[in-house]
Amino acid sequence: SAVISQKPSRDICQRGTSLTIQCQVDSQVTMMFWYRQQPGQSLTLIATANQGSEATYESGFVIDKFPISRPNLTFSTLTVSNMSPEDSSIYLCSVAQAFGLSEQYFGPGTRLTVT
Amino acid sequence: AQRVTQPEKLLSVFKGAPVELKCNYSYSGSPELFWYVQYSRQRLQLLLRHISRESIKGFTADLNKGETSFHLKKPFAQEEDSAMYYCALSVGQGAQKLVFGQGTRLTINP
Repeated sequence: SAVISQKPSRDICQRGTSLTIQCQVDSQVTMMFWYRQQPGQSLTLIATANQGSEATYESGFVIDKFPISRPNLTFSTLTVSNMSPEDSSIYLCSVAQAFGLSEQYFGPGTRLTVT
Repeated sequence: AQRVTQPEKLLSVFKGAPVELKCNYSYSGSPELFWYVQYSRQRLQLLLRHISRESIKGFTADLNKGETSFHLKKPFAQEEDSAMYYCALSVGQGAQKLVFGQGTRLTINP
């Protein structure tokens, strides 16, 4: 399975600011995803990061709030914009190595606290 | 709508006792189900998938379409099984999107 790293591992940010989270994979993967895990909650898919095109967002998530980049097959970023305390969560990157393979592998997560 | 339900938020059993973590799903298509596990201070990792019909770390899970269930079982619990367990359903085009249950925190008492 792919080795996935995320930066930063954690951060404390002030409301109204933005934070960009990076996800790096050690091999080329077809699919990359971003999830959110709010305190005491399960994982919720934010969007699918598409290489060379705009991300596909799930219901309740919008590009203005969570802009995503995917410049190549090994890297993606998620920005949490204009943060509020409700954005305090763990943000996780995951990958699937080919289209049609539903097994996903997860990064270590980024723990974000907004004050 | 797609949904995964794990009715037990917490489950505590003694070492050596059988374990069953419940998972029920709702999905109109052909389901593909997974169990993920997160040990303390580790990342979320895939434990098993129903298609493989395999046993990992002594755990098995059988898909029961009639009862729309995918319960995770182990006959003899070990202390190292203490972790957070998530049941997940793969949905969408190409079956790429994962819908997770709320998770069950399993504690194995010595």
